Amino acid sequence: QSALTQPASVSGSPGQSITISCTGASSSDVGTFDLVSWYQHHPGKAPKLIIYERTKRPSGISNRFSGSKSGNTASLTISGLQAEDEADYYCSSYGGRVFGEGTKVTVL
Amino acid sequence: EVQLVQSGADVKKPGESLKISCKGSGYSFSSYYIGWVRQMPGKGLEWMGSIHPGDADTRYSPSFQGQVTMSVGKSSDTAYLQWTSLKASDTAMYYCARLVSGYYFDSWGQGTLVTVSS
Repeated sequence: QSALTQPASVSGSPGQSITISCTGASSSDVGTFDLVSWYQHHPGKAPKLIIYERTKRPSGISNRFSGSKSGNTASLTISGLQAEDEADYYCSSYGGRVFGEGTKVTVL
Repeated sequence: EVQLVQSGADVKKPGESLKISCKGSGYSFSSYYIGWVRQMPGKGLEWMGSIHPGDADTRYSPSFQGQVTMSVGKSSDTAYLQWTSLKASDTAMYYCARLVSGYYFDSWGQGTLVTVSS
């Protein structure tokens, strides 16, 4: 499977929106991004599923989290950034067999 | 409520063996693959492999094939991850997670910290 590339870090002020990208290494990754999932990971806690099948949110996940795709890039947008959103975020594809490198979100 | 509860932290010496566990409850354990995910200190998440408790079908990441063994208990709702000869580089947090629809992990265990040091 190809690697999934994410920015190492993204930051924003409370209330702002930020977007985390997840780029596949080849054009063949585009189709698999319809099944991309995103996880939030606070240090010392279990990772949490926040987006699955590119745009769907599990029950209990805030609608401030949204997923999208453009070309060979999937994206996670966090709207109305809050202090509690400070965490590491990972995209995943290929049936959970590949994780992105992870993006550290900092709330300024 | 779906829950995955993992065994506690362990400290081992290089060359020792170890088996950690992941017990599921709140759902039909035999119906969903269980995946194992490693997080080395300061690093990201890595998929190690997945096992189906119903038929023990197991898929390993090429990076972990031959390095670990995944199994399930015959009479319990428990999955296992096992090493026969630990190395210092196996020091990491290990998570189990339930794979849904073959595409995403919707429930995760709390993690098991494995420390390998002489």
